[in-house]
Amino acid sequence: SNSVKQTGQITVSEGASVTMNCTYTSTGYPTLFWYVEYPSKPLQLLQRETMENSKNFGGGNIKDKNSPIVKYSVQVSDSAVYYCLLGGCRNRDDKIIFGKGTRLHILP
Amino acid sequence: DAGVTQSPTHLIKTRGQHVTLRCSPISGHKSVSWYQQVLGQGPQFIFQYYEKEERGRGNFPDRFSARQFPNYSSELNVNALLLGDSALYLCASSPGMQGYEQYFGPGTRLTVT
Repeated sequence: SNSVKQTGQITVSEGASVTMNCTYTSTGYPTLFWYVEYPSKPLQLLQRETMENSKNFGGGNIKDKNSPIVKYSVQVSDSAVYYCLLGGCRNRDDKIIFGKGTRLHILP
Repeated sequence: DAGVTQSPTHLIKTRGQHVTLRCSPISGHKSVSWYQQVLGQGPQFIFQYYEKEERGRGNFPDRFSARQFPNYSSELNVNALLLGDSALYLCASSPGMQGYEQYFGPGTRLTVT
């Protein structure tokens, strides 16, 4: 079945670069989205990755693929929870799945 | 342009009661999805509707139901409320289904006492 895994928490200092991983398994041809959650604000879309190329690999079965998001020169204001969402699967049984989120904490 | 709107913003109910949450998608969007987000956790998928038909369902009991209207707005209904149903309920709209990004509303905060 489909699944999504994310690192729980990352703490870095202002100005650093940070990579947040999203490792997923899918039986379909999914689209992977990244969203950010700031306090008291709706989820905002950051990035989208489609799996067009996966159609060339027969069956569309993807296991433990990592789709990271990288933020350069982070600021304190980048502190938030970052979620990846596995969606756009072909079959009705392929449910939309959110990761548990990575809490990014930027130290001043 | 108006984003996704949800009503009410906050709601307090008693165990055993019924609740209806409402969502208006972005103009032109035909798909609406519902999510439950318990405090401190990621959203959990409940339903997806497209062109007024249910196109996907998460692992939620039959107490949860939804529908989409001809104007593409949607309602989420929860019967026989339990304390564990206390959560932020998010609605998202998208132009289509597969491969389209979802735009989220601010959510409805449901507290069950």
